[in-house]
Amino acid sequence: AQKVTQAQTEISVVEKEDVTLDCVYETRDTTYYLFWYKQPPSGELVFLIRRNSFDEQNEISGRYSWNFQKSTSSFNFTITASQVVDSAVYFCALSEPYSSASKIIFGSGTRLSIRP
Amino acid sequence: DADVTQTPRNRITKTGKRIMLECSQTKGHDRMYWYRQDPGLGLRLIYYSFDVKDINKGEISDGYSVSRQAQAKFSLSLESAIPNQTALYFCATSDSVVYEQYFGPGTRLTVT
Repeated sequence: AQKVTQAQTEISVVEKEDVTLDCVYETRDTTYYLFWYKQPPSGELVFLIRRNSFDEQNEISGRYSWNFQKSTSSFNFTITASQVVDSAVYFCALSEPYSSASKIIFGSGTRLSIRP
Repeated sequence: DADVTQTPRNRITKTGKRIMLECSQTKGHDRMYWYRQDPGLGLRLIYYSFDVKDINKGEISDGYSVSRQAQAKFSLSLESAIPNQTALYFCATSDSVVYEQYFGPGTRLTVT
């Protein structure tokens, strides 16, 4: 079955700390895609990254980095030197393009609060 | 201008009323989606459409209906609103399931 688990409901850190948001997924497919979205307090959903199941290379974009490990079915997101503007709810998501009718399944989200 | 727009942005309605939420997109995508977001539950798929003639139920379609009036327009209706349909509703588009979905700004619906 297709499932995304974000076990951390809420995280609070002090500004400039590093923080990692965990995402564990379940799928029976060999071809799948993983996503991270950010939902700031204003409410919109902002796309951050997409990975396909054949590319396990970690990715870095500025202070953001993503660690994709198929062996543990995890796609974790790290923010380095966090800033107050990083405060948001972050969603991990999974799609199985060949078996789940074009749906993207979202995790329940992790609310990240960065304290000044 | 935003690529995906939703109207209204906020709506308060009474139990039993019919309400329609509208979504328009200028991205030229074939695929459109309606989600609802409830605290602690993430986003759950209500309906999705691959093109004007292809509409499919998502995981929580009961109590909702949709209409794909054109490639760019996808409306969600609550025929008889009930309080547990109070939520934040998002429309999204994509050009393929392998690619990211682009979301509208959301509609906050309150049913009293």
